[in-house]
Amino acid sequence: KAGVTQTPRYLIKTRGQQVTLSCSPISGHRSVSWYQQTPGQGLQFLFEYFSETQRNKGNFPGRFSGRQFSNSRSEMNVSTLELGDSALYLCASSLRPPGSLSSGNTIYFGEGSWLTVV
Amino acid sequence: AQTVTQSQPEMSVQEAETVTLSCTYDTSENNYYLFWYKQPPSRQMILVIRQEAYKQQNATENRFSVNFQKAAKSFSLKISDSQLGDTAMYFCAFLQYNNNDMRFGAGTRLTVKP
Repeated sequence: KAGVTQTPRYLIKTRGQQVTLSCSPISGHRSVSWYQQTPGQGLQFLFEYFSETQRNKGNFPGRFSGRQFSNSRSEMNVSTLELGDSALYLCASSLRPPGSLSSGNTIYFGEGSWLTVV
Repeated sequence: AQTVTQSQPEMSVQEAETVTLSCTYDTSENNYYLFWYKQPPSRQMILVIRQEAYKQQNATENRFSVNFQKAAKSFSLKISDSQLGDTAMYFCAFLQYNNNDMRFGAGTRLTVKP
């Protein structure tokens, strides 16, 4: 079956603009998490959605937002882009929320969306 | 807050040899998961192995095995019979039960030399 699909894979934006990234989870998965990866800060948790509800949010400013649709697809939006937002944004999906105590609840990652802010 | 430390920024190993990557973590929780993820140049995170904290037996997946020392809060990854395709960044990650915020270490860049 298809893996986690992220679009677009690469994009370049100008400071002050906004961007929307999309994530389609593996079929049947209802949990979607987002992570930001930068050389300086490493991998940092942005937020997690399950059944269209945001259950956890990381320590990011309000410019970072997201949502999940009834088909479990998720989008994240970054408004008023800054140079420091340049990063690889990774999406991960799982059947249940990642912290569920279940041996079968494997977390799968997409290939990421590379965002460059100039 | 939980933190994950990988003290080896880079490592190298000869093909067919064995290498061990180190990871320590800090938590006051008793129920949690630990993971090793591999990130090749394609940048996709690939799950290598997973350990539930309540399980005393160390997890194994083919050539990959872990040494989980709960009291010492240590979770090392052993790769046996290293292959060129094992060249990648390896991340250790911690996930607390009933929390969805996975914490990653800074990563170890592993190079397998022919």
